[in-house]
Order: sequence, then structure tokens, then C-alpha cells
Amino acid sequence: GENVEQHPSTLSVQEGDSAVIKCTYSDSASNYFPWYKQELGKRPQLIIDIRSNVGEKKDQRIAVTLNKTAKHFSLHITETQPEDSAVYFCAASIQTSYDKVIFGPGTSLSVIP
Amino acid sequence: GAGVSQSPSNKVTEKGKDVELRCDPISGHTALYWYRQSLGQGLEFLIYFQGNSAPDKSGLPSDRFSAERTGGSVSTLTIQRTQQEDSAVYLCASSPGQGSSGANVLTFGAGSRLTVL
Repeated sequence: GENVEQHPSTLSVQEGDSAVIKCTYSDSASNYFPWYKQELGKRPQLIIDIRSNVGEKKDQRIAVTLNKTAKHFSLHITETQPEDSAVYFCAASIQTSYDKVIFGPGTSLSVIP
Repeated sequence: GAGVSQSPSNKVTEKGKDVELRCDPISGHTALYWYRQSLGQGLEFLIYFQGNSAPDKSGLPSDRFSAERTGGSVSTLTIQRTQQEDSAVYLCASSPGQGSSGANVLTFGAGSRLTVL
């Protein structure tokens, strides 16, 4: 089955700096890669996703990149703000078939004002 | 409904007792997931229902755990003979499901926090 690894487990950045979180997956059939943000005491929420037919996707200060050959994908947050502090989870699944969404272990991001 | 509803929000039980956790997914969502999140940890996959297909139970940690989904809607996660290591937040999520736009976009419930004394 699919296995998703995520690094780093914790990340601390100064406000205004960029943050990068990296994930790898094991199943070459996976074609859908979402990112979820979980603020303290709250439920995870989707912030951005990418499908295997594109290599990069941007949404304001957030971007995701995908390298299918290497089976890794990354989340980039620019101009970080204190409200970006949260746990971020990457995930992988096969969207075109009956398949579950498997999450990485998470990255705790702290943005220091 | 407007969102994914879970009950109870908090459950404290004694070791050895059975518990049932309920999830009411978004109306029309054919896919339903259960995940377990221990304190400060990640989202551990437990079980996945998709339409009328047989559920994917590959994440259930032991035979004390089981889940049902009745009528393609409400799901119940049952933990028998609870142990202290079962203490965690149990999160339910639903998605539109196979063949739908945004098939795998998960909407999570607020979770059921289980404490086993």
C-alpha cells in the first residue's frame, strides 16, 4: 500500500521568510496530492492540491510542486505570517480508482513574529 | 447536512468497556473515512467506505475495532474492550467519492475525543 513520508517534522521560521515542506510517496500509481492544514485544536482543512498532470500549482502565497519521476512533492509558503503556524499534512491517493487517502506524519510549522 | 457531524465530542470510559462513535457525513458524499489522531501525532488511517463497495479495513489496528456504514450514510466506529492506548481523537471525513468532481477532497468532522481510564 501507499506510504507517505514528510520532512521536516518541525519547522520554525521568522515572519516574512519562506517555508518548505517536502514529502515522498511510494505508490507510482498515486495521482492526487493534497495538503491539509490543522490549526491547534481544530480539524484539518484542505489548503491546496495538485494532480499528476501538472508540475506546479500556486494560490497566492502557497505553491506546490510535484516530481512524479522522483515521487516527491513539496509545499512552499512565501512571506510567512503568524497565522500560518499550524501542522501541515501532505497526502497521496489514486483519484481515478477506489482508493483511500493516506497522510504523511505532519510538519509543525511555527512562524515567529 | 452542512458539514460532517460527529458524536460524542468527548467520551471518557473505563478500560475494558465498549464504545461507539458516530459520524454523519455530508449529504450525497459517497466516501467516508475514519482516522485516529493521538496527541501531537499524525492522521492514522483506520477504515474507508466507498459507495456500496466492500470497505477497506486495512488500517484497523486490531480485531477490537470495527465499523459499519448503514444505508450509505451514517457510520459507527466501535471499539470493544477499550485499552488506554486507544485514547485519541477519532476523526471522520467524507468526500464526494469516485467519479465525482473533487472526488478525494476530504471534509473532516470535529472529531470524537476518547479517553480510556
